[in-house]
Amino acid sequence: SAVISQKPSRDICQRGTSLTIQCQVDSQVTMMFWYRQQPGQSLTLIATANQGSEATYESGFVIDKFPISRPNLTFSTLTVSNMSPEDSSIYLCSVTGVFGEAFFGQGTRLTVV
Amino acid sequence: AQKITQTQPGMFVQEKEAVTLDCTYDTSDQSYGLFWYKQPSSGEMIFLIYQGSYDEQNATEGRYSLNFQKARKSANLVISASQLGDSAMYFCAMREDLNDYKLSFGAGTTVTVRA
Repeated sequence: SAVISQKPSRDICQRGTSLTIQCQVDSQVTMMFWYRQQPGQSLTLIATANQGSEATYESGFVIDKFPISRPNLTFSTLTVSNMSPEDSSIYLCSVTGVFGEAFFGQGTRLTVV
Repeated sequence: AQKITQTQPGMFVQEKEAVTLDCTYDTSDQSYGLFWYKQPSSGEMIFLIYQGSYDEQNATEGRYSLNFQKARKSANLVISASQLGDSAMYFCAMREDLNDYKLSFGAGTTVTVRA
């Protein structure tokens, strides 16, 4: 399985600001995924990030709010823009294994105050 | 409609006993994959076990086994010989389109192991 490093691990941010989360994988992967887990909830896919093309966003998520970069096959960033308390969540990046299972980074626990 | 249903929000189990976590799924695809994940209080998501829709045998991985009943569309996770470190949230997930790597997750079940 891939080793995924995600940072920051946690942050407390002021409303109206933006936070960029980084995800680094120890091997080249075609697709990387970003998920959100709101408090007490399950995981929801935000977008799929492919190298060399724009990210594909799921219903309810837009690029202006969650811009994603994918400059190479081992790295991606997710920015949470113009944050509000409702954005307080755990954000996780993931890559896919042989069976389609998702391997996750450690997650970024974001609190917006 | 919910694709993955986990009806047990929380469960208690005595140390060294087995516990079964329920998961039912909804799909019209013939090829799909089912997964279980563990999320400790630290927040990381740990992959536990995988079952393919065409697999005839139930998947096992150490103390984890998956009770796959295809006709009933259920994929229950059995944790044997529970340990205190098994206390966590457990999520069932499904990948419907084998050409698409998106996963749909259930609401999760919190397991608390008592000494």
